[in-house]
Formats: sequence, structure tokens, C-alpha cells
Amino acid sequence: DAGVTQSPTHLIKTRGQHVTLRCSPISGHKSVSWYQQVLGQGPQFIFQYYEKEERGRGNFPDRFSARQFPNYSSELNVNALLLGDSALYLCASGKTSVWGNEQFFGPGTRLTVL
Amino acid sequence: AQKITQTQPGMFVQEKEAVTLDCTYDTSDQSYGLFWYKQPSSGEMIFLIYQGSYDEQNATEGRYSLNFQKARKSANLVISASQLGDSAMYFCAMREGREYGNKLVFGAGTILRVKS
Repeated sequence: DAGVTQSPTHLIKTRGQHVTLRCSPISGHKSVSWYQQVLGQGPQFIFQYYEKEERGRGNFPDRFSARQFPNYSSELNVNALLLGDSALYLCASGKTSVWGNEQFFGPGTRLTVL
Repeated sequence: AQKITQTQPGMFVQEKEAVTLDCTYDTSDQSYGLFWYKQPSSGEMIFLIYQGSYDEQNATEGRYSLNFQKARKSANLVISASQLGDSAMYFCAMREGREYGNKLVFGAGTILRVKS
């Protein structure tokens, strides 16, 4: 079975632009979570979606938004990009919304904001 | 307050030896889960092992075992028979009570280097 997939793998944007990152969970998984990992730090939770509904939000500004589609894939949108948004964006897939020992991550999208 | 503490920024281990990576956590919840992930230079977070707060036995997955000491709030990762391919960043993470969904809180990580 395919693992979690993310696209694109790398992205370069300039300040003020908008970006859309995509994630497809493992088949059968209905939960998608997004994390931001700045260089040298651990990942920080941004959002969790389950059954197309937002189930959790981290401490990120409103410039960050996300949604989940009927096929459980997800998009993360970031508006008005800042230099500080440069990071590795990771998507995690899980079977359930609240529990379980399965949290599998995709390869990430590396975003560079110039 | 920092919820996951990994006090070892970097560790070296000789190939074929065992190594312990430290992790302490802070929570007031009775139900929580503890995870360890490996992140090679490619960036992908690879799931290694999971320990639930109610699990009485330490989790094991192949060469990985989790030394869970609930009273001390520690969840150390033990890697036996280290291999060169184990060189990577290792993150400890915690998921708290059900109301937080699947949110994971990560530590700062420990870089492990395996020497030949």
C-alpha cells in the first residue's frame, strides 16, 4: 500500500505570495494533520482534519488555512507568505480522529520564501 | 511550559552497541500516548514505536524498545545493535487526552551519529 504522499516536494515563493500544499493519506485513513518544521526544531502542529471537519488548530495565524476533501486528501493554504514561513511542511495520516497509535508522516514539502 | 524534553542535542554510538535516547514529558492527563520518530536527512518522519499510558509493558519493535517509567514521566528510546543507517535525528512526541485529537507535541530532537 502507498504511504502518505505530499506534493510538491520543493517550492520556492516570494514574500506576499500564496501557496497551496497537498497531501493524500494512507488508504483507509480518514484523519490528516499538518505540521510545520522550521530548521533545527521539532514539528509544530498546525491543523487536524477528520471527515472533512477541522478537529484541531495550533497556534498559527489566520493566514494558514486547510481543508479536507471527500476522498480524505487535504490542502494546506498559506496566504501573504513571510520569510518565517520557510520550513518543511509535514502531513500525517491516521485512521481515527482522536486516538490510536498510528500517526504516519509523508515525505514533506520544503517551502522556501525569498 | 515545555511538554517534551530531550536533553541530549547529540549522541555518538559505536556500531553494534546499544544507545539510549532520553525523553521526559509533562502532562496532567491520565490518558496519553508517547511516540518516537526517526528523521533522516531526507526529512521524512519515520514512525518507530508507540507507548500508551495504560500499557503495563514496555513497547518493543525489533531493535527499538521504549523504557517507560510512568512515575518519573520518562520514555527513553533504546536502540540495540546500532547500525550506520541509524544515524539520523530522533524525536520524542506526545499525544495528550482525547479532546486534543491527534495533535502531537514534539521535543527538540536528538541527533544520533553511529560510528564504524
